[in-house]
Amino acid sequence: AQSVTQPDIHITVSEGASLELRCNYSYGATPYLFWYVQSPGQGLQLLLKYFSGDTLVQGIKGFEAEFKRSQSSFNLRKPSVHWSDAAEYFCAVGVPGGATNKLIFGTGTLLAVQP
Amino acid sequence: DGGITQSPKYLFRKEGQNVTLSCEQNLNHDAMYWYRQDPGQGLRLIYYSQIVNDFQKGDIAEGYSVSREKKESFPLTVTSAQKNPTAFYLCASSARPVLNGANVLTFGAGSRLTVL
Repeated sequence: AQSVTQPDIHITVSEGASLELRCNYSYGATPYLFWYVQSPGQGLQLLLKYFSGDTLVQGIKGFEAEFKRSQSSFNLRKPSVHWSDAAEYFCAVGVPGGATNKLIFGTGTLLAVQP
Repeated sequence: DGGITQSPKYLFRKEGQNVTLSCEQNLNHDAMYWYRQDPGQGLRLIYYSQIVNDFQKGDIAEGYSVSREKKESFPLTVTSAQKNPTAFYLCASSARPVLNGANVLTFGAGSRLTVL
């Protein structure tokens, strides 16, 4: 069955430091990959997506992610974290097939930013 | 601005009562979804609808019901049969029911239901 793993439940970084959030997926073919961000008590907002082509994708708020087929990974990165980046981040896989057209979400990584 | 409006934002109910959560979108999106979010479990799909008057069960549909009488509206009823209804509920929509999984979802701000 398809699955998404975010191994880090909670990460703390200092403001200005670089960030990498890990995401691994299990799927037989090349999936559609997404990163969403959720501020406390709010809905999710799309940061970026990968459908095909260049494996390094740029998103909003200075985030980028790299698709690595050999590692089944789609890690999210940011070179310099701002205090406003504190939120929960979800990786998701788009699964094709029949009457279903749903996303499978990881369990999320909660990011805290120290001043 | 276009978006998804969920109401109420907070809701408290006694055990055994049915509760209906509202979701309205003005994005002219065809597909709508309901997700449940619990701490440490990510998002789980309850129901989704690709077109008016049609909807399908997701992964955890037991104890929930939906309707899709209008394109803009997709209310979710949490029935008394749902054994653990306390959760954060998120409504989402996408522009069209893309069957290959390439769906970009727009989310509402969520409704937090607490059953006392």
